[in-house]
Amino acid sequence: KAGVTQTPRYLIKTRGQQVTLSCSPISGHRSVSWYQQTPGQGLQFLFEYFSETQRNKGNFPGRFSGRQFSNSRSEMNVSTLELGDSALYLCASSPDAGQGYNEQFFGPGTRLTVL
Amino acid sequence: AQSVTQPDIHITVSEGASLELRCNYSYGATPYLFWYVQSPGQGLQLLLKYFSGDTLVQGIKGFEAEFKRSQSSFNLRKPSVHWSDAAEYFCAVGSPGGNEKLTFGTGTRLTIIP
Repeated sequence: KAGVTQTPRYLIKTRGQQVTLSCSPISGHRSVSWYQQTPGQGLQFLFEYFSETQRNKGNFPGRFSGRQFSNSRSEMNVSTLELGDSALYLCASSPDAGQGYNEQFFGPGTRLTVL
Repeated sequence: AQSVTQPDIHITVSEGASLELRCNYSYGATPYLFWYVQSPGQGLQLLLKYFSGDTLVQGIKGFEAEFKRSQSSFNLRKPSVHWSDAAEYFCAVGSPGGNEKLTFGTGTRLTIIP
């Protein structure tokens, strides 16, 4: 089975622009979560999508948004980029079989640099 | 709110030596606990997890961890490290009940010297 894939792997943007990152979960997985990783703040939960609905949300401003498609693929969008948005954005998928906690499988991440 | 503390930012050990990485958590009930490893430029790979049952859990790559409720700890151990174990290690806690959110510690960077 193919793992979680994220595109693009690297991205350079300038302040004020917007960006869209894509995540394809493992086949059959229905839950997709997004995390931001920075040297200062570490790994922080952004949001989780399940069946095209945002099910959980972290403490990020509204500039960060996401969506999930019917095939479970997910995108996250950051509008009006700030220098502090430079980070590694990780996507994780889980099967969510409805029986308690489900293991999350992480993708390689998208490295976003904001200039 | 749940939280995870990894008190050691950086640890250096000699190849072949034993390793213990510390993790303490704060959570109202029995949490789901995880250790992940991240190599430079890579995503996170799950080493092991604890949900319930036996408090000593075995993982991949020869790692094990012990859940100690009385100490709110979930320390990661390996009896003999290899140069390929050099990476960053993250302890994480998840909430029972189907909530997929993970709360991570700040990570411990492991350096292996010959």
